[in-house]
Amino acid sequence: NAGVTQTPKFQVLKTGQSMTLQCAQDMNHEYMSWYRQDPGMGLRLIHYSVGAGITDQGEVPNGYNVSRSTTEDFPLRLLSAAPSQTSVYFCASSYSRQGAKSSYGYTFGSGTRLTVV
Amino acid sequence: AQRVTQPEKLLSVFKGAPVELKCNYSYSGSPELFWYVQYSRQRLQLLLRHISRESIKGFTADLNKGETSFHLKKPFAQEEDSAMYYCALSGGSNYKLTFGKGTLLTVNP
Repeated sequence: NAGVTQTPKFQVLKTGQSMTLQCAQDMNHEYMSWYRQDPGMGLRLIHYSVGAGITDQGEVPNGYNVSRSTTEDFPLRLLSAAPSQTSVYFCASSYSRQGAKSSYGYTFGSGTRLTVV
Repeated sequence: AQRVTQPEKLLSVFKGAPVELKCNYSYSGSPELFWYVQYSRQRLQLLLRHISRESIKGFTADLNKGETSFHLKKPFAQEEDSAMYYCALSGGSNYKLTFGKGTLLTVNP
């Protein structure tokens, strides 16, 4: 199994550009989420989804959109990139609400390093 | 609201020395606590969770509800333990994880 796959690994955007960060999992996980990782800030939850067709906001949702049309995919869209969105983005998934707390925990992707200039 | 505090951004120890990474939390209900680890240029992975009371790679962590702490300990640090460590909390039926800001552990030879 590939686990959680994120693409691209690196991206440079100009201010105002839009783009989509891709996240796909092949474990039939119900729960998927996006975090951003910034120095000294830890990981902060952007958006999450508990199943196909269901999404909700996390701690820092502004400037980002998500959708969950299939169980496998959970793309993160930057509508108009800003320098403040320069960060490393991680997608994570879990097989269920309880799975997030189980010995399996979350499965993380390898991250997308985004720079907005 | 749920909050996780890791007071040390950086922690440096010598190989063979004991190590303790501190984690304090704030949550009004019964929390579930976790430690995640991120080795250099790798993805985050679950290290251990309080409910299992297990020891992974020589690390242990005990939930102290009185002190609202979940410190990570290892009696003899190894160089391969060098990594970023994140404490995380999940509150009750809420499956969302709230992470601390992380502690970068460096084990010197």
